[in-house]
Amino acid sequence: AQKVTQAQTEISVVEKEDVTLDCVYETRDTTYYLFWYKQPPSGELVFLIRRNSFDEQNEISGRYSWNFQKSTSSFNFTITASQVVDSAVYFCALRGEYNFNKFYFGSGTKLNVKP
Amino acid sequence: EAQVTQNPRYLITVTGKKLTVTCSQNMNHEYMSWYRQDPGLGLRQIYYSMNVEVTDKGDVPEGYKVSRKEKRNFPLILESPSPNQTSLYFCASRPQGTGANVLTFGAGSRLTVL
Repeated sequence: AQKVTQAQTEISVVEKEDVTLDCVYETRDTTYYLFWYKQPPSGELVFLIRRNSFDEQNEISGRYSWNFQKSTSSFNFTITASQVVDSAVYFCALRGEYNFNKFYFGSGTKLNVKP
Repeated sequence: EAQVTQNPRYLITVTGKKLTVTCSQNMNHEYMSWYRQDPGLGLRQIYYSMNVEVTDKGDVPEGYKVSRKEKRNFPLILESPSPNQTSLYFCASRPQGTGANVLTFGAGSRLTVL
């Protein structure tokens, strides 16, 4: 079975704080892909990052960084020095190679960044 | 501009009145899919299509129909809407090929069924 769990329903931080959004996944596929999407208050879904199961290197893009650990089946997302514009719902998603027509999303984490 | 276009963006309807949500993409993508987003449940796949005339059920297909007569269009049909279909709907597309390909989403269609 494929499953993505985002246990944090909602997080509130004050601007400039660092915040980590957790994502834990389950899959039996040896090859799979993990994604993060951002949904700002306007409602659209914006792609942030993709990672395949053979690439465990962490990635940094500006204030955003991602920590992929196969040993714990986690793909966590950290925002450094958060800003009000980071306020959004963030979704983690999984696609397995065996059935790559199905895309599994977590329930999302709502991040509130207060000035 | 490469995009997925959904219409209508907002709709209020009544139980049993058939409606269609259109979806069109201009990226020549083979794969298209519909999702619904509900609080606490994330996005759940309704139907997907791997190419023209090829469609398959996702995880929550009950009460929905789709068709793929042209590559660019993938309408979602609610033959007899019910209040439990009140939701935010997203259409998405991506190139066929590996699982690495990223989904591009439409702006969403908020449907209310009274």
